[in-house]
Amino acid sequence: AQSVTQLDSQVPVFEEAPVELRCNYSSSVSVYLFWYVQYPNQGLQLLLKYLSGSTLVESINGFEAEFNKSQTSFHLRKPSVHISDTAEYFCAVTINAGNMLTFGGGTRLMVKP
Amino acid sequence: GAGVSQSPSNKVTEKGKDVELRCDPISGHTALYWYRQRLGQGLEFLIYFQGNSAPDKSGLPSDRFSAERTGESVSTLTIQRTQQEDSAVYLCASSLDTATFYGYTFGSGTRLTVV
Repeated sequence: AQSVTQLDSQVPVFEEAPVELRCNYSSSVSVYLFWYVQYPNQGLQLLLKYLSGSTLVESINGFEAEFNKSQTSFHLRKPSVHISDTAEYFCAVTINAGNMLTFGGGTRLMVKP
Repeated sequence: GAGVSQSPSNKVTEKGKDVELRCDPISGHTALYWYRQRLGQGLEFLIYFQGNSAPDKSGLPSDRFSAERTGESVSTLTIQRTQQEDSAVYLCASSLDTATFYGYTFGSGTRLTVV
């Protein structure tokens, strides 16, 4: 069975600073990895995903995540955050044989002016 | 519809009463999932429907919880004899059969408060 660990429950950061949200997974088979974002009072939205190919994937709003198989990680990064990035971020994994996503506990990103 | 629709958006109920939560998935999505999100916590898987296969109920926390889905349409999650620890946001998501490539589309959730 797969599992996902998000080590930081909260990450406070000042506007325009860089940020990294950590995600580690455990699985004995190939995985597909996702990051979802939940803005205040809204539902979860897909931010980006790794399926195959290049290990670095990007979103349209400047976030990127790198799949590191040896470290079983899929950390989310942004070089300069905005106030509007304040949200909860969830890492998720699914194995190649199934559809169901297993989610991490979430990381609350709090961007301060 | 254009998105996953959940109703009601908010529900306050008295301890011991039964509640029914509804999810209307995106048309054509064969898979449907229910998750629970307690305050300040991550998503907890409850149940998964895929087409006409038997549902995966492995995440249901007790026999007070049940869910149904008719074909590939609406699903209802029923909680009997509600307890205060059932208070949470209940999220529904749907996906195409190949969810590994498209991920899920989530509804906005039903916030359940048991008083």
